[in-house]
Amino acid sequence: QSALTQPASVSGSPGQSITISCTGTSSDVGGYNYVSWYQQHPGKAPKLMIYDVGNRPSGVSNRFSGSKSGNTASLTISGLQAEDEADYYCSSYTSSSTLDIWVFGTGTKVTVL
Amino acid sequence: QVQLQESGPGLVKPSETLSLTCTVSGGSISSYYWSWIRQPPGKGLEWIGYIHYSGSTNYNPSVKSRVTISVDTSKNQFSLKLSSVTAADTAVYYCARLVTVAFDPWGQGTLVTVSS
Repeated sequence: QSALTQPASVSGSPGQSITISCTGTSSDVGGYNYVSWYQQHPGKAPKLMIYDVGNRPSGVSNRFSGSKSGNTASLTISGLQAEDEADYYCSSYTSSSTLDIWVFGTGTKVTVL
Repeated sequence: QVQLQESGPGLVKPSETLSLTCTVSGGSISSYYWSWIRQPPGKGLEWIGYIHYSGSTNYNPSVKSRVTISVDTSKNQFSLKLSSVTAADTAVYYCARLVTVAFDPWGQGTLVTVSS
């Protein structure tokens, strides 16, 4: 299983909206509605921000939203804030020979200008 | 709320076995699935495998021949063993709870360096 493809970096000014893409194949992103997104600040553990494509866990700001079209999933951060500066990773469930497998994206560094 | 904490040696010699334990607090391990995920320095995340409290496991094909995940429900812990390690196995190792198909929460992570 190959890593999902994300842009290396995305930037925006405070208050703006940005979108991070996550491209896979019909065997992972396109085949299941099981894409999740994680935020990782430097030196910290990843934190779940979105699960099952577009659902937010309790406590996650509604400025974060997720969607999917075909083999590409997207994370949108609206009203960008300084605290949103971090690395973001997507992940997709997939299955191979009846085995459950999870594949992660290459990661995107979000910079707040 | 559930919290996870990794523990184990921070330095392992090449060809030896890496062993880590994840202690679950604030909830019982006897529900959900539990996973190990790693992140080489400056790189992305890689899922290693999961275990159910019943003992059933599933591993990433990339490490399947070298990995064993086990569970000790009496101690509310699960463990990772990775054999025949090389420098490529140097990474921060995270344990995490698998909730349906997403990982939440994660432990703080522990850096394991493979070096002689």
